[in-house]
Amino acid sequence: QSVLTQPPSVSAAPGQKVTISCSGSSSNIGNNYVSWYQQLPGTAPKLLIYDNNKRPSRISDRFSGSKSGTSATLAITGLQTGDEAHYYCGTWDSSLSAGVFGGGTKLTVL
Amino acid sequence: EVQLVESGGGLVNPGGSLRLSCAASGFTFSSYSMNWVRQAPGKGLEWVSSISSSSSYKYYADSVKGPLTISRDNAKNLLYLQMNSLTAEDTAVYYCARVGGSLYAFGIDYWGQGILVTVSS
Repeated sequence: QSVLTQPPSVSAAPGQKVTISCSGSSSNIGNNYVSWYQQLPGTAPKLLIYDNNKRPSRISDRFSGSKSGTSATLAITGLQTGDEAHYYCGTWDSSLSAGVFGGGTKLTVL
Repeated sequence: EVQLVESGGGLVNPGGSLRLSCAASGFTFSSYSMNWVRQAPGKGLEWVSSISSSSSYKYYADSVKGPLTISRDNAKNLLYLQMNSLTAEDTAVYYCARVGGSLYAFGIDYWGQGILVTVSS
């Protein structure tokens, strides 16, 4: 049981937009930065978003992040088949004094 | 180019110990906090441990049952994870990962390729 809750799966057609939610509490998302990671099959995770909504320079602007209260959202626009992957949110939990990840969301591009 | 290369994994008997190492290059290792993150077969990411740049702060996941010790040698650009009393539940790919900013901001900007630890008799 993950501290952060993500939907197990989402799907959308190529070219469309999809959002992935990440729900937590005041001890984690509510008072700490959220980051998002993409993991393609058989590879290490890759940072997509950090500090809630900042994007590393090497990451496409099709990826964006937002946070409101104790929830965060990753949005992906202009979906491509290459976006099929697992996506994870992560943050620090101040009560646990620990890092926490969501359970992951599998994106299928139909 | 930032590189993180893990070593020290492999097959270990239940109750055994293992020390993972991570060789860092391409950046000023002593300026960054570091994490260990693991992923059991077919499962999601699980944070294991964090250490601040000067080793002043260390944190461990309660979910890891055996005693853990994270450490680093900034002179040698090496990160370590000592794992004891291993059980089958510790079987996973272990990733060495760099935190890009504050340890508590948790933005992991670089990951190693991962090393497999298998606990089995």
